[in-house]
Amino acid sequence: QKEVEQDPGPLSVPEGAIVSLNCTYSNSAFQYFMWYRQYSRKGPELLMYTYSSGNKEDGRFTAQVDKSSKYISLFIRDSQPSDSATYLCAILRMDSNYQLIWGAGTKLIIKP
Amino acid sequence: GAGVSQSPRYKVAKRGQDVALRCDPISGHVSLFWYQQALGQGPEFLTYFQNEAQLDKSGLPSDRFFAERPEGSVSTLKIQRTQQEDSAVYLCASSSRRGTEAFFGQGTRLTVV
Repeated sequence: QKEVEQDPGPLSVPEGAIVSLNCTYSNSAFQYFMWYRQYSRKGPELLMYTYSSGNKEDGRFTAQVDKSSKYISLFIRDSQPSDSATYLCAILRMDSNYQLIWGAGTKLIIKP
Repeated sequence: GAGVSQSPRYKVAKRGQDVALRCDPISGHVSLFWYQQALGQGPEFLTYFQNEAQLDKSGLPSDRFFAERPEGSVSTLKIQRTQQEDSAVYLCASSSRRGTEAFFGQGTRLTVV
């Protein structure tokens, strides 16, 4: 079993819809949860990160962590065609030189 | 510089050829990471530098892979005797603190034919 599981999609939704992207993880000791966005032929860019449980909001984006079920989510409100990209969740391993453990990434397509 | 710069952007190598991939991190960033990303997959950790010291190389898949950062800034990832399974995008990331906010380059897409 991989440490971080993520459905690769693709996920296709109409413009303006609310998008929900999700990951599960295996180790309850994980504390830092990251969301990256990766456009085609580009490197990942950090969207936001959360520490421990709870929600964090940044504009149209909300990150949510449920440590009891080892489940992390990213919600995108009022989705735009420019949001079309691959979204990767990642765990920051503070016990292992701060390396990132990644999900496979979900390809998101927003249809105009 | 303004961001992490990697070169070349694309590299085609014949099987058995040696390749060298370069990473210019953001100026002043202490930490530098190399990741390998296969098509349709998330990145996989290769190695980590703190300044010039290579503190973790546990992700390097074989002894054909070698990385260095001799002066604590530019880093080079070298792959000897390339194999088809080495085909992937190689990503470099740097951070000012220990990894909380890592900034990635655009990657080098290596194709071994």
